[in-house]
Amino acid sequence: KQEVTQIPAALSVPEGENLVLNCSFTDSAIYNLQWFRQDPGKGLTSLLLIQSSQREQTSGRLNASLDKSSGRSTLYIAASQPGDSATYLCAAHGSSNTGKLIFGQGTTLQVKP
Amino acid sequence: DAGITQSPRYKITETGRQVTLMCHQTWSHSYMFWYRQDLGHGLRLIYYSAAADITDKGEVPDGYVVSRSKTENFPLTLESATRSQTSVYFCASSLDPGGGYTFGSGTRLTVV
Repeated sequence: KQEVTQIPAALSVPEGENLVLNCSFTDSAIYNLQWFRQDPGKGLTSLLLIQSSQREQTSGRLNASLDKSSGRSTLYIAASQPGDSATYLCAAHGSSNTGKLIFGQGTTLQVKP
Repeated sequence: DAGITQSPRYKITETGRQVTLMCHQTWSHSYMFWYRQDLGHGLRLIYYSAAADITDKGEVPDGYVVSRSKTENFPLTLESATRSQTSVYFCASSLDPGGGYTFGSGTRLTVV
C-alpha cells in the first residue's frame, strides 16, 4: 500500500530565502507525482506534475524533482515571498494507474516579510 | 464559466438526513474523484469514476453513494448523515489516469 509522507509539517522562513520541501513515498513503482498548493479555506491548485520517466519539472521559481529509486520528491522554491505562504501537498499516482492519488499530509509554509 | 464547480459551498444538515453534494466539470474529463479532507487525516479518496456509468470505491466509501450518468456530473450522496461525516469535500477531475488533477473549491459540510 502506497504511503506518502511530508516532512516537516510546518516551516517558517524569512522572505528571500530558498527552501526545499520534502516528500517521500513507500512504493517506488509510482506512475507520476504531483505537487499542489492549498491556501486556507480554498481548494487545491496544481503546481507541477512529474511523469515517472522524468526527473524534474520547473515552473517559474518552482522546481520539483523525482527520484523513484530512493522514493523521494522535493519541491524547491527560490527567493521565497510572503505570497508563497500556503500548505504544499505532494501526491503520488499509484502503480495500478487507476488515476487515484495518494496524498501526503502537507507542509504548511509561512514566509515572513 | 469553464472549470469544475461544486455546490453548495457550505451545508449544515442534521444527523440522519440525506444530503447530496454536486460536482460539475466542463472539460469532458473521463476521470472524476471525491475526496474528503480532515485535520489529522489529510485528503482521503471516497469514490472515483473512470467514465460515465463506471464508479469504484476509494479508501473511505462507507456511508456514501455516487452515480455518474453523464460525463460532466459526479454527485456524492450521504445516505444518512453522521457527525463523523463533518468534513470538507473536494471533487476533482483528470483527463486521463496519469494526468494532472484539477480540484473544485470544496464543500464544507457540517452534520449536527
